[in-house]
Amino acid sequence: GNSVTQMEGPVTLSEEAFLTINCTYTATGYPSLFWYVQYPGEGLQLLLKATKADDKGSNKGFEATYRKETTSFHLEKGSVQVSDSAVYFCALRGFGNQFYFGTGTSLTVIP
Amino acid sequence: DAGVIQSPRHEVTEMGQEVTLRCKPISGHNSLFWYRQTMMRGLELLIYFNNNVPIDDSGMPEDRFSAKMPNASFSTLKIQPSEPRDSAVYFCASSPRDIYSHEQYFGPGTRLTVT
Repeated sequence: GNSVTQMEGPVTLSEEAFLTINCTYTATGYPSLFWYVQYPGEGLQLLLKATKADDKGSNKGFEATYRKETTSFHLEKGSVQVSDSAVYFCALRGFGNQFYFGTGTSLTVIP
Repeated sequence: DAGVIQSPRHEVTEMGQEVTLRCKPISGHNSLFWYRQTMMRGLELLIYFNNNVPIDDSGMPEDRFSAKMPNASFSTLKIQPSEPRDSAVYFCASSPRDIYSHEQYFGPGTRLTVT
């Protein structure tokens, strides 16, 4: 079946530190992969996506590469800001329109 | 284009009362999803519809919960009777069904408090 496993949080970093949040998936077929971000008190919003192997999604300085060989889609940012403090969700869309979300990783960036 | 619209944004009710949450998906999207989010259980899929038809309701916690989608532009999630453990944020999301690269779009959520 399909599933997503992401790094447990919470993660606390100093401003300008490097961020990695690990995400691995299990899927049949060729899923599309997504990272969503949830700011306090808000709904989830798409951060970036990749729809086929070796694609790199990027947005707001965040990047993730769809690695079929390692079934991974790790989120990275070279220099985090206080405004990046949020909860990050890795997600997969499989055949049949079912979406699968990870458990979320809370990030706090301190000045 | 307006995003997914949910109402009310906040609901406070007493145990035993009926609660109805409403959702208007993005025009043209033919899949609709209801989620519940709590600190303890995270984000849970309750039910989803394709072309107004419920496809998977295995996440609906019990018979007190019901969801309908009478047309392509409106859905409701009803809890009757409500209990304090139903307190959570309920999200509605929509997506184009047949575009497999497409993401879900989430509404702002309804924060439900049952006292």
